[in-house]
Amino acid sequence: SQELEQSPQSLIVQEGKNLTINCTSSKTLYGLYWYKQKYGEGLIFLMMLQKGGEEKSHEKITAKLDEKKQQSSLHITASQPSHAGIYLCGADPSGTYKYIFGTGTRLKVLA
Amino acid sequence: EAQVTQNPRYLITVTGKKLTVTCSQNMNHEYMSWYRQDPGLGLRQIYYSMNVEVTDKGDVPEGYKVSRKEKRNFPLILESPSPNQTSLYFCASSQIGNEQFFGPGTRLTVL
Repeated sequence: SQELEQSPQSLIVQEGKNLTINCTSSKTLYGLYWYKQKYGEGLIFLMMLQKGGEEKSHEKITAKLDEKKQQSSLHITASQPSHAGIYLCGADPSGTYKYIFGTGTRLKVLA
Repeated sequence: EAQVTQNPRYLITVTGKKLTVTCSQNMNHEYMSWYRQDPGLGLRQIYYSMNVEVTDKGDVPEGYKVSRKEKRNFPLILESPSPNQTSLYFCASSQIGNEQFFGPGTRLTVL
C-alpha cells in the first residue's frame, strides 16, 4: 500500500538555525499537505501543494513539491521555540480522498 | 468560530462496553473523516464521508462504525471496544479536496 516516509524522525536544533524536513512517496501524489501538531493536540494546517514544482511560503516556513510529485520538503528559516512540535505530511495518493499521513518529524528548538 | 468539536476529550472504558465519540463541525463541510494516532504508526484513517449518507472505509476500519445522518455530525461508534483500540482519535472535516480541519482529539483507553 502507499506510504509516506518522513525524515528525519526527530530533530533538535538551536534557535536561529535553519532546518529541512522531507516527505517521500513511492508514487505520484495528487495533493500533498503539511500539518503541525502540538504534542497530544489536533493538527494545524500549514500548506497544500498540488502542482509539480510548486513552492509556497508562509512566514518562515517554505514547502516545495518536486516535479514528479513524489517528494516534498518543508524548510524553516531561523527557527524559533514556537516552531517546536510534530510536523506531518499527508496526501491523497489516488485522488479518492482517502488520505495517508507520514509518521511525523518531532522538532525541538533550543532557546 | 469555525471549528471541529469532539466529545468526550478523554475516556477510560472497559472491554466490550459500547461507546460513541461524537464529532461536529460548523463549517458546512461535505467531507468528514476519523483517524487514530498511535506511536510509531502515525495517523491512520478509519472511515471517511463525502456527504450525508455516504461513508467509506479508510485503512483501519475494523472494529469501528460510523454514520452520517446530518452534514455537521459524524459520530464514531465502537460496538465492542478492545484494548487494541486504545489510541488518540481525531475527527476532521474539509471542503472536498481542500485542507482538513482537525478536532482537538479524544484520548481513549480500553481496559
